[in-house]
Amino acid sequence: GESVGLHLPTLSVQEGDNSIINCAYSNSASDYFIWYKQESGKGPQFIIDIRSNMDKRQGQRVTVLLNKTVKHLSLQIAATQPGDSAVYFCAEISTSGSRLTFGEGTQLTVNP
Amino acid sequence: AAGVIQSPRHLIKEKRETATLKCYPIPRHDTVYWYQQGPGQDPQFLISFYEKMQSDKGSIPDRFSAQQFSDYHSELNMSSLELGDSALYFCASSLKSFQPQHFGDGTRLSIL
Repeated sequence: GESVGLHLPTLSVQEGDNSIINCAYSNSASDYFIWYKQESGKGPQFIIDIRSNMDKRQGQRVTVLLNKTVKHLSLQIAATQPGDSAVYFCAEISTSGSRLTFGEGTQLTVNP
Repeated sequence: AAGVIQSPRHLIKEKRETATLKCYPIPRHDTVYWYQQGPGQDPQFLISFYEKMQSDKGSIPDRFSAQQFSDYHSELNMSSLELGDSALYFCASSLKSFQPQHFGDGTRLSIL
């Protein structure tokens, strides 16, 4: 069935380093993906999205890469800051355009 | 910018009681989604509405129902509450489908 998962449950980096969070998806028909950041006690916060007709998209300090051949998605955060510490989820939009299917989440910890 | 507003933020109920959760979407957003997130879990899709009509249904128990009103706000009604219903309930909204879903900060429901 459709599933979106993450390779690593935790990631610890030093402040100022670049972070890379990975995600694998299984539904080859998926064509829209979103990365969310969730801080404790808050709802998922939209970071960046990418559609299947692209393989790279950049935002402010973040870059999402999509490799449709191996069904892999990654989020790169440049110059990671303590405020980036949170759980990061990748999510896939269903073919109906309604539901999000989330991966398991990666806990990013940024050490000062 | 205005965000998704959920109320109440916290709710404590006993088994077999009922609960109503409210969601006010971002202005001009016509689609509302409900998700349930257990401790340490990723959010799970429950149900969505587009222009006041149910657009998709996920793993929502029969004891739960929801609707979207003419002002686009939505309510999730939960009856015969069980201990396992304790979770964070998030509402999200978007401007049509295949667009980023923006989340509220959730209602934490605790069943005693």
